[in-house]
Amino acid sequence: GENVEQHPSTLSVQEGDSAVIKCTYSDSASNYFPWYKQELGKRPQLIIDIRSNVGEKKDQRIAVTLNKTAKHFSLHITETQPEDSAVYFCAASSNNDMRFGAGTRLTVKP
Amino acid sequence: EPEVTQTPSHQVTQMGQEVILRCVPISNHLYFYWYRQILGQKVEFLVSFYNNEISEKSEIFDDQFSVERPDGSNFTLKIRSTKLEDSAMYFCASNPTGARNEQFFGPGTRLTVL
Repeated sequence: GENVEQHPSTLSVQEGDSAVIKCTYSDSASNYFPWYKQELGKRPQLIIDIRSNVGEKKDQRIAVTLNKTAKHFSLHITETQPEDSAVYFCAASSNNDMRFGAGTRLTVKP
Repeated sequence: EPEVTQTPSHQVTQMGQEVILRCVPISNHLYFYWYRQILGQKVEFLVSFYNNEISEKSEIFDDQFSVERPDGSNFTLKIRSTKLEDSAMYFCASNPTGARNEQFFGPGTRLTVL
């Protein structure tokens, strides 16, 4: 089955700096790659997603890139703000399942 | 805006007891999912459900687990004989069209097995 690796496990940046989180996946049939933000005690919230026919997608300060050949995808957050502090999960899906990475705890220091 | 709802928010049970976790997906959605998240760990896929049958299930979803859509609105997860390691947050999710689209998560049920 699908195996998703996510790095780093923790990331600390200064407010205004950029943050990059990287994921790799193993199943070449995976074709949907969402990113979720989870605040403490809350449900995961979708922040951006990308499908396999697209290499890059951007939404304001958030962008995601996908390299299908290398089976990796990345989340980029620019101009980080303290409210971006949370745990971020990548995921990969091929059929009606979705496998998550282990999560990255992002801390944005004011 | 419609949301997925889950009840109860917190369930405490004794080891060996059966529990049923309930979810009400968004009304026009056709695909339903259960995930679990052990405290401080990643979200783990359990099962997906479409057209009144299981579509996919993970290695975690063994014979102790079952899912059901008993009526037109509820989607339930049953754990037959709970173990200590079943203690986790259980999230239900739904989406309208299945694969390659956003899943909408419920607020979760925290299950504590004593």
